[in-house]
Amino acid sequence: DAGVTQSPTHLIKTRGQQVTLRCSPISGHKSVSWYQQVLGQGPQFIFQYYEKEERGRGNFPDRFSARQFPNYSSELNVNALLLGDSALYLCASSPIAGRMNEQFFGPGTRLTVL
Amino acid sequence: DQQVKQNSPSLSVQEGRISILNCDYTNSMFDYFLWYKKYPAEGPTFLISISSIKDKNEDGRFTVFLNKSAKHLSLHIVPSQPGDSAVYFCAASRGETGANNLFFGTGTRLTVIP
Repeated sequence: DAGVTQSPTHLIKTRGQQVTLRCSPISGHKSVSWYQQVLGQGPQFIFQYYEKEERGRGNFPDRFSARQFPNYSSELNVNALLLGDSALYLCASSPIAGRMNEQFFGPGTRLTVL
Repeated sequence: DQQVKQNSPSLSVQEGRISILNCDYTNSMFDYFLWYKKYPAEGPTFLISISSIKDKNEDGRFTVFLNKSAKHLSLHIVPSQPGDSAVYFCAASRGETGANNLFFGTGTRLTVIP
């Protein structure tokens, strides 16, 4: 079975641009969470979606937004990119918006903002 | 403010010996703790967890110890194997559900020397 997939793998943008990252959860999983991992730091929670509804939001500015589609895939959008947005963006899926030990992470999208 | 801290960025251990990875937390409301392992170009993988009602949880070669009074937990790997070489993240939450409650440490890179 396929695991969590994310696209693109790598991305280079310039300050002020907008970016969209995509995540496909494991088949049957209805919850998707997004994390930002800055170099040298641990992952930091951004959003959680379950059944297309936002279930949680981390301490990130409104430039960050996300949505979940009927097939449970998800997109993370970041507007007006800043240099500090350079990070590995991880997506995790779980069967429900429940236990963290049931989260499966994708390989991430490496975003570089120049 | 870093609520979960892993003060050792790296650790090297000989194959067959014990690896001890440490983690400290500051928020006394945390009652569920997890360890994740991360290989390069892959997302974090759940390894083992412990609830605050326990002080020890064991799964094969992996044991997690929790000292609530010291706000400290540790992961023991015995015996260490070269395949254990990875970055290990400690994470803590209030409750076992809800990704928005999950806080990660900065990670410890374990190298097991054959």
